[in-house]
Amino acid sequence: SQQGEEDPQALSIQEGENATMNCSYKTSINNLQWYRQNSGRGLVHLILIRSNEREKHSGRLRVTLDTSKKSSSLLITASRAADTASYFCATFRWDNYGQNFVFGPGTRLSVLP
Amino acid sequence: NAGVTQTPKFRVLKTGQSMTLLCAQDMNHEYMYWYRQDPGMGLRLIHYSVGEGTTAKGEVPDGYNVSRLKKQNFLLGLESAAPSQTSVYFCASSYPEAGADTQYFGPGTRLTVL
Repeated sequence: SQQGEEDPQALSIQEGENATMNCSYKTSINNLQWYRQNSGRGLVHLILIRSNEREKHSGRLRVTLDTSKKSSSLLITASRAADTASYFCATFRWDNYGQNFVFGPGTRLSVLP
Repeated sequence: NAGVTQTPKFRVLKTGQSMTLLCAQDMNHEYMYWYRQDPGMGLRLIHYSVGEGTTAKGEVPDGYNVSRLKKQNFLLGLESAAPSQTSVYFCASSYPEAGADTQYFGPGTRLTVL
């Protein structure tokens, strides 16, 4: 079953605006990661936030994590046309079976020039 | 460094045929993974390996086999391909540190089973 669920499924904004994507999950986690995928390419890691962290920044990216609500958000500030891509959250935890690394279905972001 | 590479990039099979997808990484990573990506489904883990000679099942292992004979290579095999295995397959590798596991992805293999 899907662990991470992104919201919205698709988002279209103008260049310069901020883009916010949300991710919800169901079980306890060790960390949550956000990845980006350009059309026809593999995923690229953007940022990782551990379960004991609440907020993290990397350039124009800001990630928050609320473990009590089992949710995370990714904010991209001052968006550019080059930010057009699909964005995936992925939860990671160790369980009785070993690694449990689960991706959500993704948010398709379109940044219009 | 080439990072994570996958061979082939595209493949078309007929139902019942077999094939092997090759993943190679030159980052000396311990962990390697095979995922499939279907529209609207995100990535689903097929199998993974935590070291040379070891493999483990992921979320959707049925119909696939894997081998990790060398640390740098992770092979995904389809013994008898089915149309339901039409997908884009991604390999990833990682060198997990305590509490963190960042994955590095290959460019993908687009497989069509007729």
